[in-house]
Amino acid sequence: GESVGLHLPTLSVQEGDNSIINCAYSNSASDYFIWYKQESGKGPQFIIDIRSNMDKRQGQRVTVLLNKTVKHLSLQIAATQPGDSAVYFCAETFGAGKSTFGDGTTLTVKP
Amino acid sequence: DTGVSQDPRHKITKRGQNVTFRCDPISEHNRLYWYRQTLGQGPEFLTYFQNEAQLEKSRLLSDRFSAERPKGSFSTLEIQRTEQGDSAMYLCASSIQGWEKLFFGSGTQLSVL
Repeated sequence: GESVGLHLPTLSVQEGDNSIINCAYSNSASDYFIWYKQESGKGPQFIIDIRSNMDKRQGQRVTVLLNKTVKHLSLQIAATQPGDSAVYFCAETFGAGKSTFGDGTTLTVKP
Repeated sequence: DTGVSQDPRHKITKRGQNVTFRCDPISEHNRLYWYRQTLGQGPEFLTYFQNEAQLEKSRLLSDRFSAERPKGSFSTLEIQRTEQGDSAMYLCASSIQGWEKLFFGSGTQLSVL
């Protein structure tokens, strides 16, 4: 149930497995990155962020990895739960300007 | 509830009509953003305000679209002479300047018939 490297529009995992969602960003000058979770009928909700001077940041059950060399961002979710089923977006920001969103990944957690 | 509020949640209109949406941001947030989202896509930036000043507007934004934030609090987004291609979810978000984490509302779903 893991995917490393490539962005996939959909990802299906078993409950309890770890999930990895990938994102490629476009602007090498971007200095701030955020992962958002969007559930049906709702706006995106903040999950975790990372600044460009870091390569890893951990939260509760989530970890974000940043590889600036290849402009790649990943979100790792440990022990995936049914409530994690949603669409996940990465967003990049340069300076203190607007955020630009990438293509989403729909995560489905099978019981 | 002290989150971002958008009104209406749903709007159905006929092609050629004008529509206006409202967004009430989190009260202490000085930045307000409008995004548009179509099914299966990430939110697409439209415009943003810092207090009452409109700082950036997407080059993709047609002249039929206008946004205001007259007192630096709530904002309105107006679409004139709507077209079927305008059908989308219109999302509003707010943030504190210098902290780019966005807080989104639930959006206004526009359907142009």
